[in-house]
Amino acid sequence: DAGVTQSPTHLIKTRGQQVTLRCSPKSGHDTVSWYQQALGQGPQFIFQYYEEEERQRGNFPDRFSGHQFPNYSSELNVNALLLGDSALYLCASSLPPDNSPLHFGNGTRLTVT
Amino acid sequence: ILNVEQSPQSLHVQEGDSTNFTCSFPSSNFYALHWYRWETAKSPEALFVMTLNGDEKKKGRISATLNTKEGYSYLYIKGSQPEDSATYLCAPYSGGGADGLTFGKGTHLIIQP
Repeated sequence: DAGVTQSPTHLIKTRGQQVTLRCSPKSGHDTVSWYQQALGQGPQFIFQYYEEEERQRGNFPDRFSGHQFPNYSSELNVNALLLGDSALYLCASSLPPDNSPLHFGNGTRLTVT
Repeated sequence: ILNVEQSPQSLHVQEGDSTNFTCSFPSSNFYALHWYRWETAKSPEALFVMTLNGDEKKKGRISATLNTKEGYSYLYIKGSQPEDSATYLCAPYSGGGADGLTFGKGTHLIIQP
């Protein structure tokens, strides 16, 4: 039973560039959430996708966008990268209802130079 | 955005000792409280999802209690073992339409042999 997988593991980008991170949910899960963890902070909610629609969104600018595919996998896109976007990006999958536990991937470490 | 506080930030405990730490959150609009354990080089792992005031959950040597009226949860570890070394994160959830889970910064637990 495959857990949540994220790719790539590490990524280095330059300011102003665009990046796409990918996530495959745990088998049987239909809801995908993305979190950003900056150094010394807890994970911060970016957005959640369910049935290919953005269902909830945290306090992140429009430079952060996402997509969910019919097979429930998801992408996180960040445009016009800033140095402050350097962080660990975690993907988590779950089932409804809202109080189901999240299953996390190992994350993508993004460094913006 | 919820204000979630976890204390202490870090904790050193001798192997075999018991320990506990706290998660404080706003008591209004409460829906659920999640606890996660995050070991180094691994992904966060769900421990408990708690919803009812007075709820008490147990998983092996780890247990948690919940007080939704005053807005806090305690996590207890009995007879600490080196494999308990990890960061423990709590995250309250306000329910449908809310901006996902709001994680605290975590309690970093180190078990000393």
